[in-house]
Amino acid sequence: SQKIEQNSEALNIQEGKTATLTCNYTNYSPAYLQWYRQDPGRGPVFLLLIRENEKEKRKERLKVTFDTTLKQSLFHITASQPADSATYLCALDKGFSGGYNKLIFGAGTRLAVHP
Amino acid sequence: NAGVTQTPKFRVLKTGQSMTLLCAQDMNHEYMYWYRQDPGMGLRLIHYSVGEGTTAKGEVPDGYNVSRLKKQNFLLGLESAAPSQTSVYFCASSLRGGPISYEQYFGPGTRLTVT
Repeated sequence: SQKIEQNSEALNIQEGKTATLTCNYTNYSPAYLQWYRQDPGRGPVFLLLIRENEKEKRKERLKVTFDTTLKQSLFHITASQPADSATYLCALDKGFSGGYNKLIFGAGTRLAVHP
Repeated sequence: NAGVTQTPKFRVLKTGQSMTLLCAQDMNHEYMYWYRQDPGMGLRLIHYSVGEGTTAKGEVPDGYNVSRLKKQNFLLGLESAAPSQTSVYFCASSLRGGPISYEQYFGPGTRLTVT
């Protein structure tokens, strides 16, 4: 079955450093991959989407890479700030089938940025 | 725009009781979804709707029913609650579905406890 793995352990980094979060997947070749941010007690918020033929996507301090050979996506936050502390979810888009785009979500990685 | 709203925010039920969770969106989105989020697991799709008057089963539909009588509203019902349905429930919407991937907009969640 399809599996998405995100580091279950929290990532602790110092303010100003680059945070790198990993999303690995097996048994599927998604055409798209999405990243969301989730704060405690709130719903996920969409951040970035990357297509399989895009190696990299950037938005302000955020960068996402997508390596279909390694079956891996990396999510980077440069010049991290305490306000970036949250849980980050990756989601594979399995494609439009059965009338909708099925998103498979990872369990998320919690990021803590310390001053 | 309020985006996606959910009521109630919290609810405690006894085993066997029923309840309805209400989701509303004001973005004129075609697609709506109900997910549940459990500790250590990714979001799992319960039911979804691709338009007014249509609903379909997702990954974990047992014990739940849904209705979408109006485009902006998506209701999730539990007819006879069980402790296994203790979870955080999120409603989401997307503009549509198709060959390209669409971001999903999430509500704030409903924390349900079944004793």
